[in-house]
Amino acid sequence: EDKVVQSPLSLVVHEGDTVTLNCSYEVTNFRSLLWYKQEKKAPTFLFMLTSSGIEKKSGRLSSILDKKELSSILNITATQTGDSAIYLCAPWSSGGSNYKLTFGKGTLLTVNP
Amino acid sequence: GAVVSQHPSRVICKSGTSVKIECRSLDFQATTMFWYRQFPKKSLMLMATSNEGSKATYEQGVEKDKFLINHASLTLSTLTVTSAHPEDSSFYICSAGTAIGGYTFGSGTRLTVV
Repeated sequence: EDKVVQSPLSLVVHEGDTVTLNCSYEVTNFRSLLWYKQEKKAPTFLFMLTSSGIEKKSGRLSSILDKKELSSILNITATQTGDSAIYLCAPWSSGGSNYKLTFGKGTLLTVNP
Repeated sequence: GAVVSQHPSRVICKSGTSVKIECRSLDFQATTMFWYRQFPKKSLMLMATSNEGSKATYEQGVEKDKFLINHASLTLSTLTVTSAHPEDSSFYICSAGTAIGGYTFGSGTRLTVV
């Protein structure tokens, strides 16, 4: 059975802090890992990671995949109150007739002023 | 706990036919279920919000007569794509839960219309 574990489940920090969110997964036919930010309606796509060890960056956010350890981290530096959201990771698996996105429970990040 | 099962995981159908996708909460009761569609570049678009026992609330631009949503019980919501066209081919994902307990995603359904 495919499994995704995100940690911590929730995190409260002050503006300016740096946070690291963790995602570990066990899925068959792994293709890529996706990170999303969910505030209100639909999760907003952040990153897609396919190769190990290659950091992807977007502003203050960065993420890296470790396929040996079956894990990924999402870093946010100099956090702002607008970063408060649920961060979801989702390994994407695809093989034969299988095409699946398995979401973790998410990390609830609260950034206080 | 909090497992959401989505079925089927993949379906291929002919143009003009209808397809039903089920979203079930296996070990909890979900007062609210959301239906999303994934676009290229992996973005997710919320299509509609369904609350048990009432009509679904559709997002702007989503045709309610084309994407029929039924949330007949606290553990089951269905999305029926009616008169499917190739442009409806996509990956559809549901999430289910409650405002207090949080929401859990299904694993998605890949629809291909030929």
